[in-house]
Order: sequence, then structure tokens, then C-alpha cells
Amino acid sequence: SQTIHQWPATLVQPVGSPLSLECTVEGTSNPNLYWYRQAAGRGLQLLFYSVGIGQISSEVPQNLSASRPQDRQFILSSKKLLLSDSGFYLCAWSVSWGRETQYFGPGTRLLVL
Amino acid sequence: AQSVTQLDSQVPVFEEAPVELRCNYSSSVSVYLFWYVQYPNQGLQLLLKYLSGSTLVKGINGFEAEFNKSQTSFHLRKPSVHISDTAEYFCAVSVAGGGADGLTFGKGTHLIIQP
Repeated sequence: SQTIHQWPATLVQPVGSPLSLECTVEGTSNPNLYWYRQAAGRGLQLLFYSVGIGQISSEVPQNLSASRPQDRQFILSSKKLLLSDSGFYLCAWSVSWGRETQYFGPGTRLLVL
Repeated sequence: AQSVTQLDSQVPVFEEAPVELRCNYSSSVSVYLFWYVQYPNQGLQLLLKYLSGSTLVKGINGFEAEFNKSQTSFHLRKPSVHISDTAEYFCAVSVAGGGADGLTFGKGTHLIIQP
């Protein structure tokens, strides 16, 4: 069966510091991968998605970036965090041929102080 | 582009009572529809989905939803709720067919079960 991991689970970072969140998927090949952000009291916002190694599509311009160095690894980064980057970051995967279902990881809670 | 409206930010319900969580969507193309549940400090778990076929969809934990194309709605229902159903519920849509772009979510409905 497929499993999706995210780490760290919780992170507290000062404003201006760098960020690296990691997501890995097991039990499937060539998945579509997604990063979402959930801000307090709001829905989920799609940040990035990827259909393959090195292929990244950005949905919202911001100071975050994403990379996919391996087939089942998706990384969310920032060079300098802002207060507004605080939130709950969720990684998701889906099969490569369609939009039928996305499966979500446990999430990373980021607090920028 | 698609959009999703969840009309209620909070729904308080007594235990063993029925509940309906409302979801309306807007799209110029055919869509897939989903309901996800989120327990505190956890990721999202798929409750049910509508892709095609029968408009009444049954999911996990006794939930069901009905797709109504004319009213562009996909309301979630459960005939008798339990304390363990307390959670945040999200309605989401995606464009039907092949592709990789992500889901569009509503802002969520917090279901509060009162004993």
C-alpha cells in the first residue's frame, strides 16, 4: 500500500531564516505531488504541483519554492521566511494519469516568529 | 477556474442527530467532487468522492453525499452522528478528466457534536 511521510511534524523558525520541508511517498511510482498551505481559519491553498522529476508548477507567487529531486520526494523551501508563512503545510500525491483522488500526508505545522 | 463555497463555518449538532454539511461549487467544465475530513493536527482523509455515475455516493464512517448538477451542490449527510465525528470537513473539486493540477477547496465546516 501507499504511504506518504512529511517531516518535520512541527517547526518554529525566526523571521528571515531558511526553510526546508520534506515529503516522501512510498509504494507508488511516478506520482503527481502537491504542496498545500492551510492558514488558520482558512481553507487549503495549492502552492505547487509536480508531474515528474524536476517539473514544478507554481500556483501562487510568493517567497516559497519547491523541488523534486527524486521521483517520490518533494521539497518545499524558502530562503527567508516571513510571518505570513506560518501555517499548516500538507503534501499530497495522486496517480499520474488523472485527477481522481489526492492522498494527504500528516502535515507540518510551521510557526514563524 | 473553479470555486467552492461551504455555507456554514460551524455546525453544532447533538449526538445521534442527523447532519447535513452544505457545499456548492462553480465551474464552466465538468468536475470531480470530494469530501475530506480533518481531525485536529492531522492531514486530510478522503470521506467520499463523485467521479461519474450514480449521484448518491456512499463513503466511510456512514457518510453519504448527493451530487446535484442543476443546483451545483454536493451536500454531505449522516443520519446519526457520533462524538468521534467532531472534525473539520472540506469540500473540494477538480476538473474532470486527465491532468495534474490540484484540488480547489472550500474554507471548511467545523462539525461540533454535543453530548
